[in-house]
Amino acid sequence: GAVVSQHPSWVICKSGTSVKIECRSLDFQATTMFWYRQFPKQSLMLMATSNEGSKATYEQGVEKDKFLINHASLTLSTLTVTSAHPEDSSFYICSARLAGVMETQYFGPGTRLLVL
Amino acid sequence: GENVEQHPSTLSVQEGDSAVIKCTYSDSASNYFPWYKQELGKRPQLIIDIRSNVGEKKDQRIAVTLNKTAKHFSLHITETQPEDSAVYFCAARPDSNYQLIWGAGTKLIIKP
Repeated sequence: GAVVSQHPSWVICKSGTSVKIECRSLDFQATTMFWYRQFPKQSLMLMATSNEGSKATYEQGVEKDKFLINHASLTLSTLTVTSAHPEDSSFYICSARLAGVMETQYFGPGTRLLVL
Repeated sequence: GENVEQHPSTLSVQEGDSAVIKCTYSDSASNYFPWYKQELGKRPQLIIDIRSNVGEKKDQRIAVTLNKTAKHFSLHITETQPEDSAVYFCAARPDSNYQLIWGAGTKLIIKP
């Protein structure tokens, strides 16, 4: 149980294009999902907290107009990187909090984004 | 806000020996402390967690201890095996929300 999928697993795009990443909880409902960014050999950096049916809460320094988050259902959250640039290249990972359980986060497999 | 420090950044142990990774936190209200294992290029996976009302928890070769007074918690891996090689992250959950505050990670290397 508690499986989280993420799609796509990797993407290469041209500078200036937008990329959408999907995060799905497959066997449970997730009222809260989190989006992280991870650079090589570094820790997880929380970008935003996504709550179903409401606006995402962004961490300081994360541009909400650049990283659009939508959490339209209890099993799906999407992150859209708008007008991507090479510095946006990174490993993006989502996690989902199991509804009814206080704290456990389960992670998706991550999406590796390369912007040329 | 909460701050989590993790040591060491790299730990190399002989196969079969024990490994200990330590984390300290600053917010005394934090009440949940998970440990995740991340292999290269893969997702972090929860390996063990502990709540603030418990001092120790064990699962086969893995154990976590929590000292609330000193505000530190540790991961203990006994009888280490090559497949234990990975990066390990500790985290703490402040009482105010569901976010996790992460340590910087420890790269564990098991030498054959």
